[in-house]
Amino acid sequence: AQSVTQPDIHITVSEGASLELRCNYSYGATPYLFWYVQSPGQGLQLLLKYFSGDTLVQGIKGFEAEFKRSQSSFNLRKPSVHWSDAAEYFCAVGPPWGSNYKLTFGKGTLLTVNP
Amino acid sequence: EAGVAQSPRYKIIEKRQSVAFWCNPISGHATLYWYQQILGQGPKLLIQFQNNGVVDDSQLPKDRFSAERLKGVDSTLKIQPAKLEDSAVYLCASSSLSGGGSDIQYFGAGTRLSVL
Repeated sequence: AQSVTQPDIHITVSEGASLELRCNYSYGATPYLFWYVQSPGQGLQLLLKYFSGDTLVQGIKGFEAEFKRSQSSFNLRKPSVHWSDAAEYFCAVGPPWGSNYKLTFGKGTLLTVNP
Repeated sequence: EAGVAQSPRYKIIEKRQSVAFWCNPISGHATLYWYQQILGQGPKLLIQFQNNGVVDDSQLPKDRFSAERLKGVDSTLKIQPAKLEDSAVYLCASSSLSGGGSDIQYFGAGTRLSVL
């Protein structure tokens, strides 16, 4: 069964500092990988996705993520955080095939940005 | 392009009452998902429709939850009777393809349910 672990429940950074949110997955093969962001009272918005190819993927709002097969990780990064990035971030995995396709989400990491 | 619409945004009910949520997906999207997001957790899939057929409802508590998508467009999710542990945000998502691996899911803002 596929699973996702986001080890950090809550992270606080200062505005302008760099950010890395961790995501580890468990799956028998290389899954499809996603990062979503959820602002308070809002639904989930897709930041970026990895299907295949270049292991460093660029997303919206200046975010990027790197897929590392050897570590089963898909960490999200941003070089300089803005106050508007304060939100909850979810990593998700899904199988690349199958009629019973299902996304599995991690428990999320809450990001607080200090001025 | 209009996004996924959900209503109501908030609902407060007492336990053992019934409640219904409505979702209108992005126009033309064949696949529709209902998720339950309990506070402090990631979304958990309850049911997936492709057009008006059910693809996966393995995690839907069928003794109290029901969902339908009669004309393959909008959908309703019902809880009857509600329990305290049903307090959560109910998210609807839709995708354009068949629900396969490369499909991107677009989420609505959700309905926050409080059961007292």
